[in-house]
Amino acid sequence: ETGVTQSPTHLIKTRGQQVTLRCSSQSGHNTVSWYQQALGQGPQFIFQYYREEENGRGNFPPRFSGLQFPNYSSELNVNALELDDSALYLCASWGLVHGRDEQFFGPGTRLTVL
Amino acid sequence: AQSVAQPEDQVNVAEGNPLTVKCTYSVSGNPYLFWYVQYPNRGLQFLLKYITGDNLVKGSYGFEAEFNKSQTSFHLKKPSALVSDSALYFCAVSRTGGATNKLIFGTGTLLAVQP
Repeated sequence: ETGVTQSPTHLIKTRGQQVTLRCSSQSGHNTVSWYQQALGQGPQFIFQYYREEENGRGNFPPRFSGLQFPNYSSELNVNALELDDSALYLCASWGLVHGRDEQFFGPGTRLTVL
Repeated sequence: AQSVAQPEDQVNVAEGNPLTVKCTYSVSGNPYLFWYVQYPNRGLQFLLKYITGDNLVKGSYGFEAEFNKSQTSFHLKKPSALVSDSALYFCAVSRTGGATNKLIFGTGTLLAVQP
């Protein structure tokens, strides 16, 4: 168990719709990252939030946006869904394990866009 | 630009035999290197990482990896494979001193351990 949870586990949307995915990190994990993993590919970095501010972004358009809340939860929002947005979306939070930073991944949300 | 290459899409090994999953990287500066495992319909599970120090890193479930700076490699190894090791393995790199903890992942290697 990583202590990182995501909801929902599966989601089906149609093209053009909007979606919100949620992640809950362990207490004290100030940094959360979101990744997109298309079928047969490695995860691709979407963006990172630190203390409720975005502090890094990968090669994703502005219709991918996020929020991080003081209670260590976060959201990934995707507007105007496209078929290629179908993927497993992973969130990851950073915390200390035996005095060292570790990145813990959640189980992911499987998004299907029809 | 940072990148990770996993040259083998699939590695087949018999149970009890040693296994190696290959990874090479390209990054400016000193790298942080990671191995993750992913079971079907699951998220990523951390195995081990290299930051600095001893080139041989020991991780979870009997896995280890050797950092080779001259060959820019970070191959994952295990002395004796188990059927339960069958899964998708990802190598990842991040850059020390970067503003984010952004990980660059390889495309993954499917490990199949035959009984």
